[in-house]
Amino acid sequence: KNEVEQSPQNLTAQEGEFITINCSYSVGISALHWLQQHPGGGIVSLFMLSSGKKKHGRLIATINIQEKHSSLHITASHPRDSAVYTCAAPKLGSNYKLTFGKGTLLTVNP
Amino acid sequence: EPEVTQTPSHQVTQMGQEVILRCVPISNHLYFYWYRQILGQKVEFLVSFYNNEISEKSEIFDDQFSVERPDGSNFTLKIRSTKLEDSAMYFCASIQQAYNEKLFFGSGTQLSVL
Repeated sequence: KNEVEQSPQNLTAQEGEFITINCSYSVGISALHWLQQHPGGGIVSLFMLSSGKKKHGRLIATINIQEKHSSLHITASHPRDSAVYTCAAPKLGSNYKLTFGKGTLLTVNP
Repeated sequence: EPEVTQTPSHQVTQMGQEVILRCVPISNHLYFYWYRQILGQKVEFLVSFYNNEISEKSEIFDDQFSVERPDGSNFTLKIRSTKLEDSAMYFCASIQQAYNEKLFFGSGTQLSVL
């Protein structure tokens, strides 16, 4: 089983701030998932990455496979970014039998 | 944009009753998954399904659980005899290929067992 740790658990920011959420995992993997969940809402998959960096709009995800660490960055944060952000790592040999982190509750104030 | 559809959005049942949660994956997707999230806890993997077979399942997915793709479009999760601890949000997800793709999740079914 892959242990997945996220930090911080809670994060409050002012609109416009640069946000970083960190994720570390215990077992080598082929790819890591970043997910977003708005309060009372469904899960949206933001990124699946196996190396380097991916960017989508104001969201950037990076991964260092050797260090077993990934970060999710949000540039120019906005109140609509307020959500729970979760990283998830697969069991070795599987891409989708995921172990999820506890999630980071992000609140962006106007 | 195509989406994964789950019904019902809320299901209330009595302990010991059978429930069926329904999902319609995106039409050209081939791999299907169920995850669940008990209130205040992490999301957990339940089962993956491909080519009309279970490909992986977790320790949670015991004999009380079963999955089926009865008609080529629906993907169902059945809980035979519900327990209080089955109360959770159940998410269906699907992908087209097995590797290097983001999962597409449904909006979830909130199951409450009384």
